Amino acid sequence: DAGITQSPRYKITETGRQVTLMCHQTWSHSYMFWYRQDLGHGLRLIYYSAAADITDKGEVPDGYVVSRSKTENFPLTLESATRSQTSVYFCASSGLAGVNEQFFGPGTRLTVL
Amino acid sequence: DQQVKQNSPSLSVQEGRISILNCDYTNSMFDYFLWYKKYPAEGPTFLISISSIKDKNEDGRFTVFLNKSAKHLSLHIVPSQPGDSAVYFCAASETSYDKVIFGPGTSLSVIP
Repeated sequence: DAGITQSPRYKITETGRQVTLMCHQTWSHSYMFWYRQDLGHGLRLIYYSAAADITDKGEVPDGYVVSRSKTENFPLTLESATRSQTSVYFCASSGLAGVNEQFFGPGTRLTVL
Repeated sequence: DQQVKQNSPSLSVQEGRISILNCDYTNSMFDYFLWYKKYPAEGPTFLISISSIKDKNEDGRFTVFLNKSAKHLSLHIVPSQPGDSAVYFCAASETSYDKVIFGPGTSLSVIP
């Protein structure tokens, strides 16, 4: 599929489990981002990456790990899921237009029981 | 403390009228501002942006106004259409190549 995709779209897991959310983009964009959306908070940046093998923390990085071995993929791992990580997660990418004009994936709704 | 604020969680407007969505920010270093639109079960999509060297930017029915001295921006939609019903996020950054900080969003309902 062209564009930016996320998988799975829905995930239910239990506290303490490791969960990986996948993000794939076909535009060869340099920048990729992970956000979480929670009521009253809007979109909060978890981690971002300027290029393969370059990642940096956003506003709410605790409890999350990212990697970027290939330009097109940017997986987000919750090493030991907690209930407070129940949220909708969005991946985004941006290219030559600048970091700001980001293209978002459809989101993954994660529930931690 | 939120750096980007949208104090109206929701707004309801009649079709054909003007919708005005407001946004305030606290960081005086912000120089680039954006609006994103989000439909349910979809990711946000970029709508319009403005840099601090301008006080207005227009794109079809959408106009963004920036008042830097008041640290305030607004999005005007004229005329409003039912398809405009969505959540609108205001966002800001220090440069056009920097991390973006999003506001909490305003849910717009356009009533036919």
